[in-house]
Amino acid sequence: AQSVSQHNHHVILSEAASLELGCNYSYGGTVNLFWYVQYPGQHLQLLLKYFSGDPLVKGIKGFEAEFIKSKFSFNLRKPSVQWSDTAEYFCAVRTSGNTGKLIFGQGTTLQVKP
Amino acid sequence: DAGVIQSPRHEVTEMGQEVTLRCKPISGHDYLFWYRQTMMRGLELLIYFNNNVPIDDSGMPEDRFSAKMPNASFSTLKIQPSEPRDSAVYFCASSLERVTEAFFGQGTRLTVV
Repeated sequence: AQSVSQHNHHVILSEAASLELGCNYSYGGTVNLFWYVQYPGQHLQLLLKYFSGDPLVKGIKGFEAEFIKSKFSFNLRKPSVQWSDTAEYFCAVRTSGNTGKLIFGQGTTLQVKP
Repeated sequence: DAGVIQSPRHEVTEMGQEVTLRCKPISGHDYLFWYRQTMMRGLELLIYFNNNVPIDDSGMPEDRFSAKMPNASFSTLKIQPSEPRDSAVYFCASSLERVTEAFFGQGTRLTVV
């Protein structure tokens, strides 16, 4: 069965610091990978996605993620965070080989101090 | 398109009462997901449908929970009877095809007292 693990549950950074959030998945077949963001009191919104091709994908608001197949990882990065990036971040996996199940990690709460 | 529409946005009910949450997916989307979000357990997949047919309901906590999708534009999640531990935010999401991203509704915040 597929599963997603996010290593950091709560991250606190100062503005302008660099960000990297870890995500590992468990599934032996072809996967599609996503990062979603949830701002306080809001619904989940897509940050970026990986389907195929270049393993380094760029998303909105300066975020990027790198798919490393050998490590089953899809880590999210941003060179310089802003106070407005304070939110919860979710990694998600959707397997193309079965029936389209979409599974999320536990989420990482990012707090950016001004 | 208005996006995924959920109703109600907030629901407060007494323990033992029946609760029905509603979802209207994005027109043309053929997958619909129901998730539950809590502080303790994060975002859990409860059930999902493809072309109105339930594909996997293994995440449904117990028999008190049921979900239906009578047509392509409407789904319900019902809890009967409700319990305080069901208090959570319930999200509905829809997607086009098996591999694309899902779009989320605003969620229903359920409080069972």
